[in-house]
Amino acid sequence: DAMVIQNPRYQVTQFGKPVTLSCSQTLNHNVMYWYQQKSSQAPKLLFHYYDKDFNNEADTPDNFQSRRPNTSFCFLDIRSPGLGDAAMYLCATSNILGGGAYNEQFFGPGTRLTVL
Amino acid sequence: AQSVAQPEDQVNVAEGNPLTVKCTYSVSGNPYLFWYVQYPNRGLQFLLKYITGDNLVKGSYGFEAEFNKSQTSFHLKKPSALVSDSALYFCAVRANTGGFKTIFGAGTRLFVKA
Repeated sequence: DAMVIQNPRYQVTQFGKPVTLSCSQTLNHNVMYWYQQKSSQAPKLLFHYYDKDFNNEADTPDNFQSRRPNTSFCFLDIRSPGLGDAAMYLCATSNILGGGAYNEQFFGPGTRLTVL
Repeated sequence: AQSVAQPEDQVNVAEGNPLTVKCTYSVSGNPYLFWYVQYPNRGLQFLLKYITGDNLVKGSYGFEAEFNKSQTSFHLKKPSALVSDSALYFCAVRANTGGFKTIFGAGTRLFVKA
């Protein structure tokens, strides 16, 4: 089945130690998103890629970076995790065709990040 | 600016009774509206969407939602609730004026009691 895969499902890191979360998709969607979700709150968009074009949200800290080496993969890098970065990180994809932004997003299962 | 309000943090309903989860929105231009469900330690799962046309939209698992332009609402409904419907529900909006950013509501936790 076509899907969005996130690895690992659970990640433990130390304060200040860089960490990378990965997302892959078999849907061939052109848009990929990274969200941060804390304690069952609304997902907060960090950034998204439309094909290779990177779009950063204005309030996303510089500590968060992303890479999309190809259509299928997208990575979230946290350069120096703080205690406040402990959260669920959700990857999502969407197929935006002809400028129409009406297609729904497909979410991965999430990676729960713990910072010690 | 786009925004979504889910006025209820929690909705409690008995199994077999109808359920409603409320959502109101604010957006420039015509909206694209979505409902997603999230089970514990899982990603969000798409339920249904409104793009244009018929105000009553049917989705997965027997859910439906009614778009009301004058009240800027998009309430989620189900005629007969199941215990397995207990989850966190998010309403979301995206403007049709371009851009791919989706604004999510704060979420409503639904408890269905047997």
